[in-house]
This record gives sequence, structure tokens and C-alpha cells, in this order.
Amino acid sequence: AQSVTQPDIHITVSEGASLELRCNYSYGATPYLFWYVQSPGQGLQLLLKYFSGDTLVQGIKGFEAEFKRSQSSFNLRKPSVHWSDAAEYFCAVGSIKAAGNKLTFGGGTRVLVKP
Amino acid sequence: DAGITQSPRHKVTETGTPVTLRCHQTENHRYMYWYRQDPGHGLRLIHYSYGVKDTDKGEVSDGYSVSRSKTEDFLLTLESATSSQTSVYFCAISVDRDGLFTFGSGTRLTVV
Repeated sequence: AQSVTQPDIHITVSEGASLELRCNYSYGATPYLFWYVQSPGQGLQLLLKYFSGDTLVQGIKGFEAEFKRSQSSFNLRKPSVHWSDAAEYFCAVGSIKAAGNKLTFGGGTRVLVKP
Repeated sequence: DAGITQSPRHKVTETGTPVTLRCHQTENHRYMYWYRQDPGHGLRLIHYSYGVKDTDKGEVSDGYSVSRSKTEDFLLTLESATSSQTSVYFCAISVDRDGLFTFGSGTRLTVV
């Protein structure tokens, strides 16, 4: 069974500072990995995805994530946070199967940005 | 989100009443999903469908049923709503070999 752990429930960061959100996954084969962002009262927006190839993935809004197979991790980073980055972030692991693609989410990390 | 419409957007209902949420897609995708979102749990899969009349359970399916009589519509029914089913419900679609999911805007359900 696939699973995702996001160890940090809340993170507070100052505007302009760097941000790193942790994600650990459990999956038996090569995983498909995703980061989604959800602003208050909104739906989910895909930030970036990893399917194969280069382990450093660039996404939208200046985010990047690095896949580390040896650590079963897919951490999300941003060099300089903007106030608009305050949101909840979800890591997810996916699989493609004949009987239906599956997507399993972590519990989320809520990011607060201090001025 | 493009191609997915959830209705209603908000609903308040009383304990013990039946409730049906609707997800409509215009993309003609095979796979459709219902998730619920609760603080600290992220999104958890309730049921999913891999074709018309083909559905299967997810990890939190107790108390929910689904139906898919047309490719474009996927209905989620709470036969007898309970307060523990107060949540935000998201519908999603997925392209066959793409692995990418697209989510609807969500339905906020409150059971009082």
C-alpha cells in the first residue's frame, strides 16, 4: 500500500526567507510524486510532479522539489517566500494501474508567512 | 477547475437525512474519484470509478455509496448523514495513462 507522511503540520516563515517542506513516501515501485497547494477556501492546484528522469523538479510559482530514492523523500523548496505563499501544501504519491490510477495524500503542512 | 463541476457548493443537512453530491465532467475521462478533506488527514479516497457502472471502494467508504450511469456524472450519496461526515468533498478526474489528477472546487457539507 502506498502512503505519504508530512512530518510538519505547521510552519511559520518570514517573508523573503527560504522554505522547505518535508515529505516521505512509502511505495513498492518507482513512485509518481506530486505537490499540491491549497489557498484558503480554494481547490487544489498542482505545483509540480515527478514521474522519472531528473530528480530535481521545477514547478510553478518558483517552487522546486528533489526526489531522493534512498531517503524515500520528495521535499519541496522555495528560495524566497512571498506573502502569497501562505497556504496548505500537500504531498501525494500516485500510481497508474489498469483498474484505476491512485493518488494518496499526506496530511498537509500549513504555511504561515510573517511580514 | 476546467472540465469539472461539483454541485452543490455548500450544503447544510440534518443528521439522518440522505444527501447526494454530484460531480460532472466535460472531458470524457474514464476515471473519477471522490475524496473528503479533513484537518490533519489531507484528502482521503472515498470511492472511485473506472468506467460506467464500474466503481470500487477507497479507504474511507463506510457510510457512502456511489453511482455512475453516464461517463460524465459521478454521484456520491450519504444514505443517512452523520456529524462525522461533515467535511469538504472533492471530486477528481484522471487521464488513463497520464497519472495526473484534476480536482473540482469542492463541496462543503455540514451535518447538524
